[in-house]
Amino acid sequence: EAQVTQNPRYLITVTGKKLTVTCSQNMNHEYMSWYRQDPGLGLRQIYYSMNVEVTDKGDVPEGYKVSRKEKRNFPLILESPSPNQTSLYFCASSWQTSGSYTGELFFGEGSRLTVL
Amino acid sequence: AQSVTQLGSHVSVSEGALVLLRCNYSSSVPPYLFWYVQYPNQGLQLLLKYTSAATLVKGINGFEAEFKKSETSFHLTKPSAHMSDAAEYFCAVSDIDFGNEKLTFGTGTRLTIIP
Repeated sequence: EAQVTQNPRYLITVTGKKLTVTCSQNMNHEYMSWYRQDPGLGLRQIYYSMNVEVTDKGDVPEGYKVSRKEKRNFPLILESPSPNQTSLYFCASSWQTSGSYTGELFFGEGSRLTVL
Repeated sequence: AQSVTQLGSHVSVSEGALVLLRCNYSSSVPPYLFWYVQYPNQGLQLLLKYTSAATLVKGINGFEAEFKKSETSFHLTKPSAHMSDAAEYFCAVSDIDFGNEKLTFGTGTRLTIIP
């Protein structure tokens, strides 16, 4: 089954304790991205990756890091989480073939993070 | 930058009634527009998309949307609401930096179906 898998789905942590949210897709997609969803703000892009070893900032990258060492995986790293990073996080992936635009993102089920 | 505005954060309709969710976009170039649906505790899934072909776009589960350039609108409709349509709906516009298939989302509309 084609899917984007995120872990953990739920996490409560404390300020300053490093954490990683993993994301894996089995569709051989080149493009991957992280969004955060907050009430009244919709979804905002954190980071994206066009391919292995190619990453760039989205609209709200502060406090986050990513890496793309393998095509299927795109972990989101919070080096020193703070309460304002309490949010619902989504990983998404998409085809990208020679610059053609598909417009369809495939989303994971989300990871709800609470930072105390 | 492109943006979308969804009018009404909460919409309630009776089962069997017309569903109308409003979305207006701001774009300096012909946009790609999308509607996504989010069911409780799930990720978003694509309902339908407009990519400059037909202005009336049909999607899954009986939903459709009409692109109206003169009104900069892309409203989502369904003739007869079903209980299973209860979800949150997001309108989105593409903001195509080369290689970044970023979608700019609206703030969402939560649809409640009244039995």
